[in-house]
Amino acid sequence: EDQVTQSPEALRLQEGESSSLNCSYTVSGLRGLFWYRQDPGKGPEFLFTLYSAGEEKEKERLKATLTKKESFLHITAPKPEDSATYLCAVQSYTGNQFYFGTGTSLTVIP
Amino acid sequence: EAQVTQNPRYLITVTGKKLTVTCSQNMNHEYMSWYRQDPGLGLRQIYYSMNVEVTDKGDVPEGYKVSRKEKRNFPLILESPSPNQTSLYFCASSSAYQPQHFGDGTRLSIL
Repeated sequence: EDQVTQSPEALRLQEGESSSLNCSYTVSGLRGLFWYRQDPGKGPEFLFTLYSAGEEKEKERLKATLTKKESFLHITAPKPEDSATYLCAVQSYTGNQFYFGTGTSLTVIP
Repeated sequence: EAQVTQNPRYLITVTGKKLTVTCSQNMNHEYMSWYRQDPGLGLRQIYYSMNVEVTDKGDVPEGYKVSRKEKRNFPLILESPSPNQTSLYFCASSSAYQPQHFGDGTRLSIL
């Protein structure tokens, strides 16, 4: 069964303190792994898609990487405006469904 | 502006009273989907549609119905709502196998 697990559930960082969020997955043939950001009261907002092990994508202070079993979202020198819940999702080749993790709630303290 | 629009944004209703949550997208996307989001459980897919007149069950379809008569619209129907369907609902759309665009959600309370 396709499954996504994210850790930690919550993370508090000082402004400028870099860290990583983890997304572990089991899927029967990965079509794509997606990272989203969700602010309170809003729908998830797309950040990155990764398709194959070894792939990396960057956007401002965020960098996403992918291995055969997990993905990391690295946050370099975070700012308070990076505070949000970060969601990971996978889609497999054997179906058209998306499976989401429960997210990591990030708080960046000034 | 490219967007997914859900209505209503908030609804309080009673057990057994049929309701429909509408979803419309203006991006000509083939794929549309409904999710519910509950604390500790994350986003779970209810139904999805690969194109007009093509719908499939997701992980938690019980108690819900959908239809896709037009490409832009994908309504979620609760024919006899129950309190365990109290949740935050999101509609999403995308081109095939591309990242999804989400609406701003519908907070549904069933008493």
